[in-house]
Amino acid sequence: DQQVKQNSPSLSVQEGRISILNCDYTNSMFDYFLWYKKYPAEGPTFLISISSIKDKNEDGRFTVFLNKSAKHLSLHIVPSQPGDSAVYFCAASEGSNYKLTFGKGTLLTVNP
Amino acid sequence: GAGVSQTPSNKVTEKGKYVELRCDPISGHTALYWYRQSLGQGPEFLIYFQGTGAADDSGLPNDRFFAVRPEGSVSTLKIQRTERGDSAVYLCASSLTPGEVDTQYFGPGTRLTVL
Repeated sequence: DQQVKQNSPSLSVQEGRISILNCDYTNSMFDYFLWYKKYPAEGPTFLISISSIKDKNEDGRFTVFLNKSAKHLSLHIVPSQPGDSAVYFCAASEGSNYKLTFGKGTLLTVNP
Repeated sequence: GAGVSQTPSNKVTEKGKYVELRCDPISGHTALYWYRQSLGQGPEFLIYFQGTGAADDSGLPNDRFFAVRPEGSVSTLKIQRTERGDSAVYLCASSLTPGEVDTQYFGPGTRLTVL
């Protein structure tokens, strides 16, 4: 039973445009959410996080939005760059619990 | 500085064999985690060490899997009587401050293939 779902296996966007990656969760106990980026043959790299007490967190080109009532979060990348091409994982935890529950990931391709 | 390193990067073994996967965390990191990523899936939590002790091994799939961290630094994940379903990328992560999820630094993983 997938508690964190990323329903789009892949996404392709043009350089300079916005990339929107979506994530849904089912466990209402989750209250901390993270996005990780993964390049081939490398481990996941932490990108941005958000606590359930917020509905938005921004870091440079990356913004994460959280809609608790819909149990949905999204990652916006603007403007998208070719170097952003990677697999993006959504992850969640209960409180600051170390145990992360990951989605299956979305492969983002940014075309020059 | 040096990140989390894992050896070997690739391991091919035969069904029924024993394997050891090694993780060298970032120097000074007291917390260490193992995850497993099967094909087409996200990483799944296996075990968490705080210092030398396994604080949470609830993610280990069965008793064929065991992990140690005898000196509170390097950790070894041990798999006995390997099965084809054990084929996956095994990821190790470490963090300086235990329990803070956004400071987990991942290694590149060991790709295990069981024939």
